[in-house]
Amino acid sequence: DTEVTQTPKHLVMGMTNKKSLKCEQHMGHRAMYWYKQKAKKPPELMFVYSYEKLSINESVPSRFSPECPNSSLLNLHLHALQPEDSALYLCASSHTASGVGEQFFGPGTRLTVL
Amino acid sequence: DAKTTQPPSMDCAEGRAANLPCNHSTISGNEYVYWYRQIHSQGPQYIIHGLKNNETNEMASLIITEDRKSSTLILPHATLRDTAVYYCIVRVTGRRALTFGSGTRLQVQP
Repeated sequence: DTEVTQTPKHLVMGMTNKKSLKCEQHMGHRAMYWYKQKAKKPPELMFVYSYEKLSINESVPSRFSPECPNSSLLNLHLHALQPEDSALYLCASSHTASGVGEQFFGPGTRLTVL
Repeated sequence: DAKTTQPPSMDCAEGRAANLPCNHSTISGNEYVYWYRQIHSQGPQYIIHGLKNNETNEMASLIITEDRKSSTLILPHATLRDTAVYYCIVRVTGRRALTFGSGTRLQVQP
């Protein structure tokens, strides 16, 4: 199984809502990532988890709260988002957070904030 | 990570080789060159990576110049399904997180 799955595929939420994005991999990878991609722009790194611990936070606002409950799962909790947070949210994983090798990306969750 | 420069767009005829250039003149000795592509509305897909030597896999070939300041990704027989944005990324060994540049939008024409 060389797949990263993300749910939901699409999400529409209001600015006062609380929602969560979910990412799952069963490749035994110990590093997982969240990226954000605005329309017609490249992906931008948000967070890196290494061995279930947060290792990189790219100065992301606190309305985005990541969580890594176990080595296969990565969540992104959303609260009080703004319309400008509308984007494609991509999850990725790799064997470790360092060294050489590829990252495997999921298909993304397309988020619209009204 | 070193900065990369890629042309914003390129066209290629179906069945012909697509040669995508990338400049990375500030690359340092421990930085690898990675290529990913992103087909519309999908997650990025790894293609290939290299340090000094040319590399080939089932998807593509990577040619790195001797001074390592530039590289070329070659898709030997482009198909319509190769239409995508191609990202050239230079990354240090110790950090696997990716910093994407603006990439090259490759349009394969029938």
